[in-house]
Amino acid sequence: KQEVTQIPAALSVPEGENLVLNCSFTDSAIYNLQWFRQDPGKGLTSLLLIQSSQREQTSGRLNASLDKSSGRSTLYIAASQPGDSATYLCAVRGEETSGSRLTFGEGTQLTVNP
Amino acid sequence: DTEVTQTPKHLVMGMTNKKSLKCEQHMGHRAMYWYKQKAKKPPELMFVYSYEKLSINESVPSRFSPECPNSSLLNLHLHALQPEDSALYLCASSLGGLGTEAFFGQGTRLTVV
Repeated sequence: KQEVTQIPAALSVPEGENLVLNCSFTDSAIYNLQWFRQDPGKGLTSLLLIQSSQREQTSGRLNASLDKSSGRSTLYIAASQPGDSATYLCAVRGEETSGSRLTFGEGTQLTVNP
Repeated sequence: DTEVTQTPKHLVMGMTNKKSLKCEQHMGHRAMYWYKQKAKKPPELMFVYSYEKLSINESVPSRFSPECPNSSLLNLHLHALQPEDSALYLCASSLGGLGTEAFFGQGTRLTVV
């Protein structure tokens, strides 16, 4: 059974810092990995999708990397802003042939202080 | 348009009530999902529909009954719920097949009293 772990569980940084969120998964037979952002009481916003054949993806100040063989992904946030405060979730998609499931980590709660 | 729309946003229901949650997308996605999320926990998969057929049921109690009337709509019918079923219910969709990006709605906050 796939297990996804995110470290740290919570992170508080001053505005302007660069930071790294970590995600690890136990079964490397994944099809892709997706990073989401969730504001309190809200739905999930997709940030980046990395296919299993890719090494990284970038969108604005965000960069996500994937090392499938070692079961790890990182989300790098450059020049953090108070608006980045949210919970960040990583999720991996398995290789089932009928439908497919996303397995989520517990998330990293990020607070960026002005 | 990458929008998944869920209604209602909030729902309070008694344990003897019957209610339905609705989810709609117009992105041409052929896979749709229901997730349940408790406070400070990650979403947990409940059901997956692929091309309007139920493909995954994560051993969800029968008081939750999913329905996919067409490729754009997904319903979750609720009956005789328990207080511990109170949670944020999230709908998601993806193009279908492997390797596609999932898009989530804003969720329905359900409270069972």
